[in-house]
Amino acid sequence: DTAVSQTPKYLVTQMGNDKSIKCEQNLGHDTMYWYKQDSKKFLKIMFSYNNKELIINETVPNRFSPKSPDKAHLNLHINSLELGDSAVYFCASSHADRGTTEAFFGQGTRLTVV
Amino acid sequence: GEDVEQSLFLSVREGDSSVINCTYTDSSSTYLYWYKQEPGAGLQLLTYIFSNMDMKQDQRLTVLLNKKDKHLSLRIADTQTGDSAIYFCAQGGAAGNKLTFGGGTRVLVKP
Repeated sequence: DTAVSQTPKYLVTQMGNDKSIKCEQNLGHDTMYWYKQDSKKFLKIMFSYNNKELIINETVPNRFSPKSPDKAHLNLHINSLELGDSAVYFCASSHADRGTTEAFFGQGTRLTVV
Repeated sequence: GEDVEQSLFLSVREGDSSVINCTYTDSSSTYLYWYKQEPGAGLQLLTYIFSNMDMKQDQRLTVLLNKKDKHLSLRIADTQTGDSAIYFCAQGGAAGNKLTFGGGTRVLVKP
């Protein structure tokens, strides 16, 4: 069973389009994250949700809007896609009361904006 | 501020030991982590160390932490070709907090 799963794995789209990436975790974790990995492999947090509540919102354009319908899901919607949005987006989850940020990552969604 | 730095590349012969180094700036980090990323894959948590520990060993992996110098290292004993990957060091604060990653060290294991 996949612990943290993202769909789609690959996404190619044109500039200006709106797209969504979905993430689900079956680990019973209460905290979920979106990270962005650029072409140089730098990883940076974008958002974090705990029990469906936004707790981290880094400096991310407001074209990016996360949505957490329940603790097991955190989706990422991106409006008006730009070339610079091309990256690999990773979803992750962790358990807030374990004392660590022992995060488990999905396989990533490679977004290519053309 | 938060900054985590790693060397970019490490080449090692199969069977030798690999040592990957990392420096961090945030002394309030509670835990420090090592993740492995194979090509086209997600990040796999390898191990982590609590900030009040100096060393942690887990099979072929040894983590050393020098809190005074804010230096973390990961030693892989008897490196295998399957260990070829990018290794990320990360620092984290309280539970549920974000991870701040280094830029990753690409390890190439030569037969």
